[in-house]
This record gives sequence, structure tokens and C-alpha cells, in this order.
Amino acid sequence: NAGVTQTPKFQVLKTGQSMTLQCAQDMNHNSMYWYRQDPGMGLRLIYYSASEGTTDKGEVPNGYNVSRLNKREFSLRLESAAPSQTSVYFCASSEARGGPRPQHFGDGTRLSIL
Amino acid sequence: RKEVEQDPGPFNVPEGATVAFNCTYSNSASQSFFWYRQDCRKEPKLLMSVYSSGNEDGRFTAQLNRASQYISLLIRDSKLSDSATYLCVVNRGQAGTALIFGKGTTLSVSS
Repeated sequence: NAGVTQTPKFQVLKTGQSMTLQCAQDMNHNSMYWYRQDPGMGLRLIYYSASEGTTDKGEVPNGYNVSRLNKREFSLRLESAAPSQTSVYFCASSEARGGPRPQHFGDGTRLSIL
Repeated sequence: RKEVEQDPGPFNVPEGATVAFNCTYSNSASQSFFWYRQDCRKEPKLLMSVYSSGNEDGRFTAQLNRASQYISLLIRDSKLSDSATYLCVVNRGQAGTALIFGKGTTLSVSS
């Protein structure tokens, strides 16, 4: 069972470069999420997609864009990377029916911006 | 008041000890509550959901006090493998699916 798969696992970028973080889930979940986690800050929601075809901003959306490509895939794009975006990025998914449900996480992408 | 607050610890306990973590949340409309566990540099993993009547899963007991907007996690007979950061998680009001994660409480169990 793959669950939530994130690629790449590690990436180093230069300031101003762009890249897309990929996320796919095989649990047939409706909702998907992108978080960043920084030391002392906890997990902060960047964007989420409650269902296929919808996306909404979370707590820290500036500098990011997302695409819900289909039910399985939810990508996060950094158009012009900045050192402040150095972080660990987690993708998660959950079933939306019946109210808030636990989220299942991928194993993260460690991104460094120089 | 922060949306979800936890004592960051660290809690340093010997094997076999009982330890309790507390968490408070600010949104009285929140309906869903969870405890997650996160090992160093790994992804958060669901430990248990928290139900209104309180619930137990082996050595772990979770309690919810809606009136005080307070959640607790009790770990009995601590094991070395329990060493991790424990995250208190609350949904963002009413039926919203987005979850708010506390910053976590760090537990270190020693032999």
C-alpha cells in the first residue's frame, strides 16, 4: 500500500528557480493538503483541495500555487523560490465524507533554497 | 489565544512511567480531535482520534473536555519506542476538513 507518495524527497534550488512538488494518493480520498514544517513553527497549511476541481488558500499561501490535476494528484509549485521557502513540505489526504477525518501524510520533501 | 496550544516539553521520563500531555484549543465550533505522533524528521502519523466520551487504545488514553476546550493524552507504562513528538490536532471549525496542528510536545523515554 503506497498511501501518499511525494516526489522528490530532497531538492536544492537556487533563489529564483521554479519547481513543482508532486503528490499522489491511492486511497481514493477526496481532500488533499500541502503543509510546510519549520523548526519551532509546527505544521502550517499552505493550500488545500477539499475535492477534485477545487482549491483554497491555507495559512501561508504566498509564493505558492497548486493544481489538483485529478482525484489522485495534487501538485505544489514554487514559481520563484526564495530562501524563506526552505522547509520540509508534507502532502496529506483525507476522506471528506462525514465531516473532518484524519489526514494521511506522505514522507515529505526536504527543500533547500540557496 | 492560539488556535491549538501545547506544552512543548521536553518531557523526560524513565521506562514504565505514566505521562500526560495537555492541549487547549480556541475554536468552540471544532468537532474533530486527534493525536498524531511524529518521529524526528519523519511524517506525522495518526495515533488516535479523540471522542467525547474519552477513548483508550492499549496504553494510550485520550480525553476531551468541550466545556474547557481541553484535550489530553495519557501514556501508561512508557516504552523507549514512545519517544517522539506528540501533536494535538483540531479541525478548523464546524465541518471544515482543514486541520490545525499544535506545535507538539516532545517525549523522551530513557532506560
